[in-house]
Amino acid sequence: KAGVTQTPRYLIKTRGQQVTLSCSPISGHRSVSWYQQTPGQGLQFLFEYFSETQRNKGNFPGRFSGRQFSNSRSEMNVSTLELGDSALYLCASSAGTGGGQPQHFGDGTRLSIL
Amino acid sequence: AQSVTQLGSHVSVSEGALVLLRCNYSSSVPPYLFWYVQYPNQGLQLLLKYTSAATLVKGINGFEAEFKKSETSFHLTKPSAHMSDAAEYFCAVNNYGQNFVFGPGTRLSVLP
Repeated sequence: KAGVTQTPRYLIKTRGQQVTLSCSPISGHRSVSWYQQTPGQGLQFLFEYFSETQRNKGNFPGRFSGRQFSNSRSEMNVSTLELGDSALYLCASSAGTGGGQPQHFGDGTRLSIL
Repeated sequence: AQSVTQLGSHVSVSEGALVLLRCNYSSSVPPYLFWYVQYPNQGLQLLLKYTSAATLVKGINGFEAEFKKSETSFHLTKPSAHMSDAAEYFCAVNNYGQNFVFGPGTRLSVLP
């Protein structure tokens, strides 16, 4: 079974631009979560989608948004990029949203803002 | 609100020595607990999970963790460290309907 696939792996942007990251979950998984990972802040939860609906949202500004498609694939968008948005963005999928369902992670997209 | 603390941002052990990585959680109800490992330039990989079936949980690569409700702890251990165990380890907590909360991580170094 193929794992979680994130594209692209690396991305370089400049301040003020916008970016879209993509995540394809494990086949059959309907829940997709996004995280931002930085050396200073660790892993921070962005949002979770289940069956095309946002179920939970972390404490990030409105510049960060996401969506999920009917095939469970998900995208996240960051507008008006800032230097502080440089990070590893991780996507995780799980079979459901019940407690105890482990999340399975992709290898992430490393975003660098110049 | 749930939270996770991991004592020690960096732990060094000699090859063959015991590995002990500490995790304490704060939750209003008994949570589900997980340990993940992250190697450089990769995502997180599930090591093991506790879902109330047994307090001692065995995972991959020889790791195990014990859930102690009275201590609100879920420490990760491995009897004998291997060079390939060098990585960052994250403890996480989850409850039904809530998002995962990850600890700050512990970087494990294994010395020859």
